This record gives sequence, C-alpha cells and structure tokens, in this order.
Amino acid sequence: GQNIDQPTEMTATEGAIVQINCTYQTSGFNGLFWYQQHAGEAPTFLSYNVLDGLEEKGRFSSFLSRSKGYSYLLLKELQMKDSASYLCAVRDGDYKLSFGAGTTVTVRA
Amino acid sequence: ETGVTQTPRHLVMGMTNKKSLKCEQHLGHNAMYWYKQSAKKPLELMFVYSLEERVENNSVPSRFSPECPNSSHLFLHLHTLQPEDSALYLCASSQDLGQGFNEQFFGPGTRLTVL
Repeated sequence: GQNIDQPTEMTATEGAIVQINCTYQTSGFNGLFWYQQHAGEAPTFLSYNVLDGLEEKGRFSSFLSRSKGYSYLLLKELQMKDSASYLCAVRDGDYKLSFGAGTTVTVRA
Repeated sequence: ETGVTQTPRHLVMGMTNKKSLKCEQHLGHNAMYWYKQSAKKPLELMFVYSLEERVENNSVPSRFSPECPNSSHLFLHLHTLQPEDSALYLCASSQDLGQGFNEQFFGPGTRLTVL
C-alpha cells in the first residue's frame, strides 16, 4: 500500500517561517502535490513538484527529493490566514492521488 | 457558478434512508472524482470517472452508488448507510487523466451524518 507521513500539528508565530515535512513510500511516483484546506472548505492547490528541487511561489515554496522520498512545504512571513490544514499527496500513476492525513498549522499573534 | 459546486452542503440521514449527493463542475474538465474525508484520516479515493466512464472503483461498499450522466455532473447515491459512513464527501475534477500536471480542483464537500 501507499504510505504518506506528515506531522499532525504545528504552531508558529505570525511573521515566522514554518516547514512541513512529508515522507512517502509509494509503488510509483508521478508527481507530488501540496493542498491547503481551511476548516469546512475545499482543499485548494498550492504547489506541484515532479522533478527534484525547489519550486517557489510567493510566500510558499515546495521541495522534492525523489531518491529520499521526501518533500517539504515552506511557508514564509506567516499570516493569520495561513492557519489551515496542509495536505501532501503523491500521484503514483496516471491520476490516483494518495494523501497524507494533513498537518494542522496554527498561527499565533 | 464557478469551479466545483456540491449540494447539499450538510446532510443528516437515517440508516434506512436513500439520498443523493450532487457535484457539478463548471471548468470544462473531462475527469471527476469522489473522495471520503474522515476526521484525522487521509482523503480516500472512492470513484473516478473519465468522459462519463468509471475507471476506478476503490473497493467501495455497494451502499454507495455513483452516477455520471455527463462530464459536468457527478452523483453519489446513498442507501442503507452505517454510522461509520459519516464523513465529509468531496468531489473533484481535473482536465484529464494521464500524464502531466492535471491538478485536481475540489468542491467544498457535503458533510454527511448517519444516525
């Protein structure tokens, strides 16, 4: 089966940086996605990595190492609105996404 | 309407009831998905449709019955559910199946409670 691990909860201060790690063991690899989900809302796409390295998109960056089965999502200059659950998902074939259980990030003033 | 919409947003039903969840995507996509999200658990893929044909049935009990009448609409028919089926049911769509980026766009979900 697929195994996607990420921490359950993280807390950080407004203006700080938080790094959410994700490790995976899957039967195949065809890309890794990060989604943000606010309570009671739809998951929304944040980033996509298919090759090793860093992808930067404003305050959010995502890193991938395929040989290590490892990714992280970096959130910079944290704002209160960044309090949400962050979902790591690995696509192991043409379309099937396997999700981690999500990391709940709480930003404190 | 834009994006992916789902109705109803909340549903409470008894174990003997029959109800249906509706999903509509306004993105011109060809693939649609049903996921189940239980508290503190990963999203579980239930069904996948591509161009109205089912391509994935992820060992889902027969009390859940999907229907895809066209590429914009997806239904999940529910009958004789169990309390453990209480969860958030999310619909998603993507341009296609297959290689490439193919980001999945999610709807807001239906919060289902089975009494």
